[in-house]
Amino acid sequence: DSGVTQTPKHLITATGQRVTLRCSPRSGDLSVYWYQQSLDQGLQFLIQYYNGEERAKGNILERFSAQQFPDLHSELNLSSLELGDSALYFCASSGDRGREQYFGPGTRLTVT
Amino acid sequence: DAKTTQPPSMDCAEGRAANLPCNHSTISGNEYVYWYRQIHSQGPQYIIHGLKNNETNEMASLIITEDRKSSTLILPHATLRDTAVYYCIVRAANAGGTSYGKLTFGQGTILTVHP
Repeated sequence: DSGVTQTPKHLITATGQRVTLRCSPRSGDLSVYWYQQSLDQGLQFLIQYYNGEERAKGNILERFSAQQFPDLHSELNLSSLELGDSALYFCASSGDRGREQYFGPGTRLTVT
Repeated sequence: DAKTTQPPSMDCAEGRAANLPCNHSTISGNEYVYWYRQIHSQGPQYIIHGLKNNETNEMASLIITEDRKSSTLILPHATLRDTAVYYCIVRAANAGGTSYGKLTFGQGTILTVHP
């Protein structure tokens, strides 16, 4: 158990819909990262937040957005969903000086 | 971040050492070598990292060549539960070393441990 929690574990929704994925980092970790893992693209970095502020952006679509709240939990919002958005979405956290990232169990999103 | 090259797959007998190679010939001086693994759709798991010295922890050992252009992850006594995709990642520390950014995953090595 990494200490990072993600909800929900599974999500099935239709094209065009909007969903919110939630992540709670390890206690005390200030950084949260979101990754997407699809069959054809592998594990890809989406976005990083540090203590409530956006720190880095990867290949995140404009339809996707994220935020980190004062209690340090983070949410990833996916809108206008397409079939190709079906993937595993992982959240990871790390400490202020931590070099290691600890990953949650992921949310499996299926868009039908 | 420097690119890494790993064999797509490897086999290992249970109880034997698994030696997973990684080539990172374009690594620069401030870049660390990290190893993660992912067991069947679970979240990736941190294993070990190093800069230039060999490192050992309770999970594995990391051997980095003197020129730092390649490294080997060693699982000393592989078990069936070590069957996973192993990722070698090279990542720079940000200036001042107080913040570390994204991990760039390649295709990794599928390690299969068989009885």
